[in-house]
Amino acid sequence: EPEVTQTPSHQVTQMGQEVILRCVPISNHLYFYWYRQILGQKVEFLVSFYNNEISEKSEIFDDQFSVERPDGSNFTLKIRSTKLEDSAMYFCASRLRQGGRELFFGEGSRLTVL
Amino acid sequence: AQSVTQLGSHVSVSEGALVLLRCNYSSSVPPYLFWYVQYPNQGLQLLLKYTSAATLVKGINGFEAEFKKSETSFHLTKPSAHMSDAAEYFCAVRANSGGSNYKLTFGKGTLLTVNP
Repeated sequence: EPEVTQTPSHQVTQMGQEVILRCVPISNHLYFYWYRQILGQKVEFLVSFYNNEISEKSEIFDDQFSVERPDGSNFTLKIRSTKLEDSAMYFCASRLRQGGRELFFGEGSRLTVL
Repeated sequence: AQSVTQLGSHVSVSEGALVLLRCNYSSSVPPYLFWYVQYPNQGLQLLLKYTSAATLVKGINGFEAEFKKSETSFHLTKPSAHMSDAAEYFCAVRANSGGSNYKLTFGKGTLLTVNP
């Protein structure tokens, strides 16, 4: 069964370092998302991406965050200068088409900022 | 705006007992509602969804949920718990207002443990 895959499963980094989290969405999906879950808190929407541009972003998604789809298969989330409060589980998700109601999530990438 | 409240961060049941995980939502427009499950070291998997058709929704693994507009609830139930049901369960809401965006608002999750 097709699935969304994310790498790395766990990354530890020093505060101020750049981090790139990678996602390979399901191949025929058109809409891509990043969510995150800080330990003990809710899963929160970060950003949605369609047709090579951001379609919506939350207030969490500030200038330190960026997304891109560099090669038509990968979908990446970059954090330019990590802060302690960026420590969280980051989930990538994809969706087939407009009106498709199911989001397919990856297993998540756990980011620990020291 | 939408929000979700899951009552009880941790629910413990005996194997074979009824599972009831509570979810209440608020939404300014008719909602779509979802339950996701997360098994240890795995991603979020869709259990079931309500999309304005039947109010009683059946999902995978014997789970079902009933949309009650008057109570703004979407509680998840299973008649008989199995050890393999131990996981974290998330309720989520999305505005049923069209458009291409698909921003889900999640609850904090309920950890279900099943005792032998």
